[in-house]
Amino acid sequence: DADVTQTPRNRITKTGKRIMLECSQTKGHDRMYWYRQDPGLGLRLIYYSFDVKDINKGEISDGYSVSRQAQAKFSLSLESAIPNQTALYFCATSGTTGGGNQPQHFGDGTRLSIL
Amino acid sequence: AQKITQTQPGMFVQEKEAVTLDCTYDTSDPSYGLFWYKQPSSGEMIFLIYQGSYDQQNATEGRYSLNFQKARKSANLVISASQLGDSAMYFCAMREGYYQKVTFGTGTKLQVIP
Repeated sequence: DADVTQTPRNRITKTGKRIMLECSQTKGHDRMYWYRQDPGLGLRLIYYSFDVKDINKGEISDGYSVSRQAQAKFSLSLESAIPNQTALYFCATSGTTGGGNQPQHFGDGTRLSIL
Repeated sequence: AQKITQTQPGMFVQEKEAVTLDCTYDTSDPSYGLFWYKQPSSGEMIFLIYQGSYDQQNATEGRYSLNFQKARKSANLVISASQLGDSAMYFCAMREGYYQKVTFGTGTKLQVIP
């Protein structure tokens, strides 16, 4: 089983719909992140959370919200989807042991298309 | 200013040859970490190698090595003996600051030619 699981893997929806992308992890990491990937722009940070009570905006949080339901679960919501939110979305986790050399562990991504 | 700059959108390399993928970074934080990830066409992000700002030695992991030049703020990835399976997007990333946020570059698409 994957350590970081994203659901759904693919989603096609219409403008104006509310969408939730879910992420769960079995790595026991405190830190969780949501990124979006667009061609030519790399990965951009949407939101990150360092524990259940700590949620922070990333560089492109407008139009998105998140919920950290438990240490292992971090959901991303698009309250009213718009076409320019069509992208590949990644959830990632990282631990805090061993200093800063812990890499982020990524889920397999969610391909979201908004028509 | 861009925190992570990858100036090579695409590169070709002959199979079995070595290739260097460039990455420069910008930070005022004395403590930071640099990462390289590989993204094959299937889409997953695969961690390759890490270099800490205080590490004295350049990092190596199998065929991957990181040419870390701190004064120049560069952290180039060297892949030795390229294989066809190395064809992918490669992202450089930096972790810095109190919240240890990670910033990614725009990536380099590497294609290995038989």
